[in-house]
Amino acid sequence: EVQLVESGGDLVQPGRSLRLSCTASGFTFGDYAMGWVRQAPGKGLEWVGFIRSKAYDETTEYATSVKGRFTISRDDSKSIAYLQMNSLKTEDTALYYCTRDQQLDSWGQGTLVTVSS
Amino acid sequence: DIVMTQSPDSLAVSLGERATINCKSSQSVLYSSNSKNYLAWFQQKPGQPPKLLIYWASTRESGVPDRFSGSGSGTDFTLTISSLQAEDVAVYYCQQYYTTPLTFGGGTKVEIK
Repeated sequence: EVQLVESGGDLVQPGRSLRLSCTASGFTFGDYAMGWVRQAPGKGLEWVGFIRSKAYDETTEYATSVKGRFTISRDDSKSIAYLQMNSLKTEDTALYYCTRDQQLDSWGQGTLVTVSS
Repeated sequence: DIVMTQSPDSLAVSLGERATINCKSSQSVLYSSNSKNYLAWFQQKPGQPPKLLIYWASTRESGVPDRFSGSGSGTDFTLTISSLQAEDVAVYYCQQYYTTPLTFGGGTKVEIK
């Protein structure tokens, strides 16, 4: 069974940094692209970005709203994907979901990031 | 960016009746080289993460009941629930994965009348 477990969400001040982790199990992690989707309280879904597999040189893609501030990386030996978030803004407040593949075929339960002074 | 527009924003349907949700993309998501529409549908129940229901516009994910069906091509798509059940109360999203940035529709809330 595919499982994705996010961690690292917290309350942080604007301008600070935070790193989220997504620990995967139940599939061959290195074969898949991994990504992040966020959902602000009471709002719809917003794609954040993804990282391709090693077969595709672990290239990354990002939403315009986070490009230059957020970085996605992966450690295939540990089956973990990361989302490094820098220069956080209040509008980054959301539940952050880890997702598998570009088809988003599996989702974690999410981890909450609150950006507030 | 490809803009995904869903309609209606919400709908109330009686148990056992049909529910239809529309999704329109601002440009075609049909890839001509493989004739596939890069369009997915997700279901999100309250307090839960989204769940993939349909991909390639009309292929049901494993385990999804056959009362859910997807249709359409190019820029116009439809999700149909043929006979609404109580457990289908949720928000439904369409999403294109034809190109980055991946984009979602605004969601359609389905309730029981």
